[in-house]
Amino acid sequence: EPEVTQTPSHQVTQMGQEVILRCVPISNHLYFYWYRQILGQKVEFLVSFYNNEISEKSEIFDDQFSVERPDGSNFTLKIRSTKLEDSAMYFCASSATLDRGQYGYTFGSGTRLTVV
Amino acid sequence: KQEVTQIPAALSVPEGENLVLNCSFTDSAIYNLQWFRQDPGKGLTSLLLIQSSQREQTSGRLNASLDKSSGRSTLYIAASQPGDSATYLCAGNSGAGSYQLTFGKGTKLSVIP
Repeated sequence: EPEVTQTPSHQVTQMGQEVILRCVPISNHLYFYWYRQILGQKVEFLVSFYNNEISEKSEIFDDQFSVERPDGSNFTLKIRSTKLEDSAMYFCASSATLDRGQYGYTFGSGTRLTVV
Repeated sequence: KQEVTQIPAALSVPEGENLVLNCSFTDSAIYNLQWFRQDPGKGLTSLLLIQSSQREQTSGRLNASLDKSSGRSTLYIAASQPGDSATYLCAGNSGAGSYQLTFGKGTKLSVIP
């Protein structure tokens, strides 16, 4: 079964530092996403990416966040200057689409980001 | 803004019981609905997807249904096993060019041997 791969599984960073979270989506999928889950809370949408540009983003995804697909396989989330409240589990996901609908999402196993 | 409520928040059942988890959306215009399983500290495993033209999906001991008129979905688990213990999340998107999923907070299921 194809998988979405995320690295690292756990990252600890100091407040104010930049972090890059990495993901390898399923190869024939067209849409890529980042979600986050703060401990004990709901999974929240951050951003979707299609055809090399952002297609949707939430209020959480402010100027401190950026996404990139630097090559044909990787999809990255950058947080420029981390805050304590950025501590969360970050999930990458991908999905395929058809003209008449959308296949379901496949999520990665997540990167636990701890900002100290 | 779409909100998703899952009831109950937690459920403890003896092994072998059949059970139903519920999910409701404030906006019944749901395009696709997906049920996930999450083990503690882990990622999201897709269980069932109900696409826009469907009303029900089955996989093994799991059955999910979606009533689009009311915006409610149920996940039925037959003959529960201790290995089913996890948090179950439902999530939907509204279509109309939006593919973002809105999640519920989940139902934490414990199956007691």
